[in-house]
Amino acid sequence: GAVVSQHPSWVICKSGTSVKIECRSLDFQATTMFWYRQFPKQSLMLMATSNEGSKATYEQGVEKDKFLINHASLTLSTLTVTSAHPEDSSFYICSAQSRGQEESHYGYTFGSGTRLTVV
Amino acid sequence: DQQVKQNSPSLSVQEGRISILNCDYTNSMFDYFLWYKKYPAEGPTFLISISSIKDKNEDGRFTVFLNKSAKHLSLHIVPSQPGDSAVYFCAARRGSYIPTFGRGTSLIVHP
Repeated sequence: GAVVSQHPSWVICKSGTSVKIECRSLDFQATTMFWYRQFPKQSLMLMATSNEGSKATYEQGVEKDKFLINHASLTLSTLTVTSAHPEDSSFYICSAQSRGQEESHYGYTFGSGTRLTVV
Repeated sequence: DQQVKQNSPSLSVQEGRISILNCDYTNSMFDYFLWYKKYPAEGPTFLISISSIKDKNEDGRFTVFLNKSAKHLSLHIVPSQPGDSAVYFCAARRGSYIPTFGRGTSLIVHP
């Protein structure tokens, strides 16, 4: 089945630094990748949608200059949290949608998530 | 405005008994519903789904029921096992649109 690899699984960084999270589709081409954020005891909040080779589409309230998304290839998308602050601490999850499978659950696979802690 | 609601944040069940997780939605345009299971510090994994043209889908111990008139779906797990302890997310989708997720229900199955 489709596998999405997300790295790192956890990261601790100092306030003011930037952190990059990678999301890779291992055995399929991901036409679209999604980035979610999950707060404790809350739902998965969609942050942005990225299509290969084009700019990401950000959800309302998400700062595009703070959360930089790059989808340079059909198998890799990156989320960079710039000038991180403690309030950015959260669990970030990516998801990838495969070409031709958009209407099937098979076309929507989650990565394992990244726990970001900003100190 | 939450279009997908899971009103029970947690559920505790004895091993061997039935677990019933509920989900309500408001958008009548949703035509595909999914349940995901999530362990701590992991991404969600797909569990079971149902199309709006059906009212029941069964896969082993897991059964999803859909009541379109009530805009309600439920996930039944029988018999419940301790390994089923996780957070369960309900999601709803319209066509190929991005699924909308509920807040999740934390299921604890006691041995």
